[in-house]
Amino acid sequence: DAGVIQSPRHEVTEMGQEVTLRCKPISGHNSLFWYRQTMMRGLELLIYFNNNVPIDDSGMPEDRFSAKMPNASFSTLKIQPSEPRDSAVYFCASSLHRGNTEAFFGQGTRLTVV
Amino acid sequence: AQSVSQHNHHVILSEAASLELGCNYSYGGTVNLFWYVQYPGQHLQLLLKYFSGDPLVKGIKGFEAEFIKSKFSFNLRKPSVQWSDTAEYFCAVNPYSGAGSYQLTFGKGTKLSVIP
Repeated sequence: DAGVIQSPRHEVTEMGQEVTLRCKPISGHNSLFWYRQTMMRGLELLIYFNNNVPIDDSGMPEDRFSAKMPNASFSTLKIQPSEPRDSAVYFCASSLHRGNTEAFFGQGTRLTVV
Repeated sequence: AQSVSQHNHHVILSEAASLELGCNYSYGGTVNLFWYVQYPGQHLQLLLKYFSGDPLVKGIKGFEAEFIKSKFSFNLRKPSVQWSDTAEYFCAVNPYSGAGSYQLTFGKGTKLSVIP
């Protein structure tokens, strides 16, 4: 398996623009997570899905952020409108929702909002 | 909600020195515990994990961790570090709930710099 695949790897956008980050989880995994990593706050869980259903989105910072998982092999994280403080590395991870499992991470998307 | 504390923000060691990184969590029930490593510019990779059984867990690259339930700790150790161990290390906890929710919470991370 190719692992968790994220795109794009790098994104530079202007403040106010819409940004869409994409994630393809490992085939067969039924849990998917979006994390944000910054120097100030470390690694924060934004939202996670189980069987394509959002279970906990309490980490989503505000209404400008939204995430979808239309099927088992694809998820998006959208920021609209983007702001400079959204600049961070966004990681997607997937796992088997079975209790005793670890999460596998993608390479991340480095977002810069100018 | 559970939380994870990593005591050291940045650790600097010379090659061949011994390493111990502290991790404490707050959760009263059964937990699954993890250490992840993030090499510069890369994604997080699993170093080792504890689910049950022997509290001394051995992982990749000579790392090990000991789960001490009474202290709510899961410290990471390596007897002799190498320059290639330079990375950021994250402790994570997942309260075990069988087929229930999955709340993998990470600590802030500890940066390890190994000087040749």
